[in-house]
Amino acid sequence: GNSVTQMEGPVTLSEEAFLTINCTYTATGYPSLFWYVQYPGEGLQLLLKATKADDKGSNKGFEATYRKETTSFHLEKGSVQVSDSAVYFCALSDNYGQNFVFGPGTRLSVLP
Amino acid sequence: DTGVSQDPRHKITKRGQNVTFRCDPISEHNRLYWYRQTLGQGPEFLTYFQNEAQLEKSRLLSDRFSAERPKGSFSTLEIQRTEQGDSAMYLCASSPQDEQYFGPGTRLTVT
Repeated sequence: GNSVTQMEGPVTLSEEAFLTINCTYTATGYPSLFWYVQYPGEGLQLLLKATKADDKGSNKGFEATYRKETTSFHLEKGSVQVSDSAVYFCALSDNYGQNFVFGPGTRLSVLP
Repeated sequence: DTGVSQDPRHKITKRGQNVTFRCDPISEHNRLYWYRQTLGQGPEFLTYFQNEAQLEKSRLLSDRFSAERPKGSFSTLEIQRTEQGDSAMYLCASSPQDEQYFGPGTRLTVT
C-alpha cells in the first residue's frame, strides 16, 4: 500500500538557518503530494502541494518539488523564523484524491 | 468563520460507554474524512464520504466504530463500548477535490 516516510525529529535550528525536511513516498499511480503544518495548539493546515512530477509547490517561503525519479518531496526554506516552529507532516493522496496517507510528522524548533 | 468545526472539543468518558462526535464541513465541500491522531504520530485515515456515500473504511475502523453523513452535510462518528486504546484526537477534514481542510479535532480520553 501507499506510505510516507519523513526524517525523524526534532529538528532544532537557529533563526535564519536553512531548513530541509526529507520526505519520501511509496505509491502506485500518480499521487498528489502535500505538506501540512500544525502550529502549537492549532489544527493541521495545508502548507503547499504538488499534483504531478516536477511541479514545485511554494508558500510562505517554503518550497518542495515533486521528484518522481527519487519518489521524494523534500521541504525547504532558505531562512527560518521563530514563528516557523511547528510540526510538519508530509502526505500523499491517490490519483482519485480519496486515500490520504500521512507521515509521522517532524517537529521543528527555531531558536532566536 | 466558515471553516470545519467539530463538537465537542474534548470528551472524557468511562470505559464501556458510547460516545458520538460531530463534524460540520465547509458547506460547498462534498468530500469528508475522519482521522485518528495519537501523540507523536500523523493522522491515520478512518473513513471517507463523498456526499452521503461512505466510500472507504480503514481496517482500523472496528465494528465498534460507525460513521454517518446524512444528506451529505454534517457527519457523526460514534464509538460504542469505548476502550482505553480509543483515547486519541479525532480529526475531521473536508475537501472540494484534493486539498483537505481540517477541523480543530475532538480529544477523547477514556478512563
